[in-house]
Amino acid sequence: LAKTTQPISMDSYEGQEVNITCSHNNIATNDYITWYQQFPSQGPRFIIQGYKTKVTNEVASLFIPADRKSSTLSLPRVSLSDTAVYYCLVGDRGSGTYKYIFGTGTRLKVLA
Amino acid sequence: DSGVTQTPKHLITATGQRVTLRCSPRSGDLSVYWYQQSLDQGLQFLIQYYNGEERAKGNILERFSAQQFPDLHSELNLSSLELGDSALYFCASSLGLAGVGEQYFGPGTRLTVT
Repeated sequence: LAKTTQPISMDSYEGQEVNITCSHNNIATNDYITWYQQFPSQGPRFIIQGYKTKVTNEVASLFIPADRKSSTLSLPRVSLSDTAVYYCLVGDRGSGTYKYIFGTGTRLKVLA
Repeated sequence: DSGVTQTPKHLITATGQRVTLRCSPRSGDLSVYWYQQSLDQGLQFLIQYYNGEERAKGNILERFSAQQFPDLHSELNLSSLELGDSALYFCASSLGLAGVGEQYFGPGTRLTVT
């Protein structure tokens, strides 16, 4: 079964770049890696998705090494409103049946 | 607003009871997913349906069951409720099957078992 681990928490100051890494040792071969943002008492919200190398959109970048056993979400110039919990999501076929595995979540606190 | 609706928003019930959570996916989405979020277990995948058929299954308890109806809405049934079933239950939907594509999450149903 895939284990997806993330740092429990991170603090950053406004305007800094934040990098959050997720380790996923048993990701399904053809699956993408997806990152979500969650505010208290709300459903997770999509940030970015990628399969390999680097993907960039208007809010974040995602770096995925060749072995795909980890991924790094990069948030450029964070603001106070980026304070949230960030999760990676991968698919796992290790036990014979397909299932989705969320990472343990990283609580990001952005300080003024 | 993700376009995914869940009812009810809050549910308080007693141990041993049975409840049904309802989810309407975004218009056009064929996949529906159910997740449980509790403080000590994080976000746990329960089950996925695609166009009425079960397509993926997580660590869903035998006391829990789900189905997706012809109009694509889904229901999650929780029976013989225990205190430990208290959690936020999220439904998500997506256009396609597994692995590719964004899942759109609903606002969740907060279940409290007393």
